Amino acid sequence: DIVMTQSPDSLAVSLGERATIRCKSSQTVLYSSDNNNYLAWYQQKAGQPPKLLIYWASTRESGVPDRFSGSGSGTDFTLTISSLQAEDVAVYYCHQYYGTPHTFGQGTKLEIK
Amino acid sequence: EVQLEESGGGLVQPGGSLRLSCAASGFTFSSHAMTWVRQAPGQGLEWVSTVFPGGDNTYYADSVKGRFTISRDNSKNTLDLQMNSLRADDTAIYYCAGYCSSTNCYRYWGRGTLVTVSS
Repeated sequence: DIVMTQSPDSLAVSLGERATIRCKSSQTVLYSSDNNNYLAWYQQKAGQPPKLLIYWASTRESGVPDRFSGSGSGTDFTLTISSLQAEDVAVYYCHQYYGTPHTFGQGTKLEIK
Repeated sequence: EVQLEESGGGLVQPGGSLRLSCAASGFTFSSHAMTWVRQAPGQGLEWVSTVFPGGDNTYYADSVKGRFTISRDNSKNTLDLQMNSLRADDTAIYYCAGYCSSTNCYRYWGRGTLVTVSS
């Protein structure tokens, strides 16, 4: 199984500042035949289901604010929130869909400092 | 508007069975792979099972293989999960989710149904 490890486990950032969450996979999730990274990011607010933010490691889902961006390739990925808003308080998960079983990172809890 | 609504959760004794259902609307259900993802209380997300659009290709996490069965009815836009031989560590919120069109991320999510396995 591909193990996904996020860092940090929790993060406190001031409003308007940048938040950066990292995700590392135990093996590559870059599929050589199509040159796509099979990596997604989700946001889960308290009491709600997860919400897709980013797929293909860097493609923003429709309707997601452009302050959210994803980057990285192979085994190392980053989710960046360029200017933190109060409504961004949530737990964020990375997800690899390169291989079965699909696996998630353990989650990063983002709070306001 | 896309809607996924799970039902069938509840309290069950260890060794018992439950059948979860997910009613889908607002998208072309028959064209999307569907999946169940669970979340134990206070914990992270765990993929459980996936069924491809035709219903013939199914996949299971090792932790549920042989105990859970996923199925779908494209004529009724419903997804089911039959859960047998339930254990305490199956206690979780179970979400149904629909795959993205172009790849295997999970675009559509229900609000989840809570399954509690306890004596």
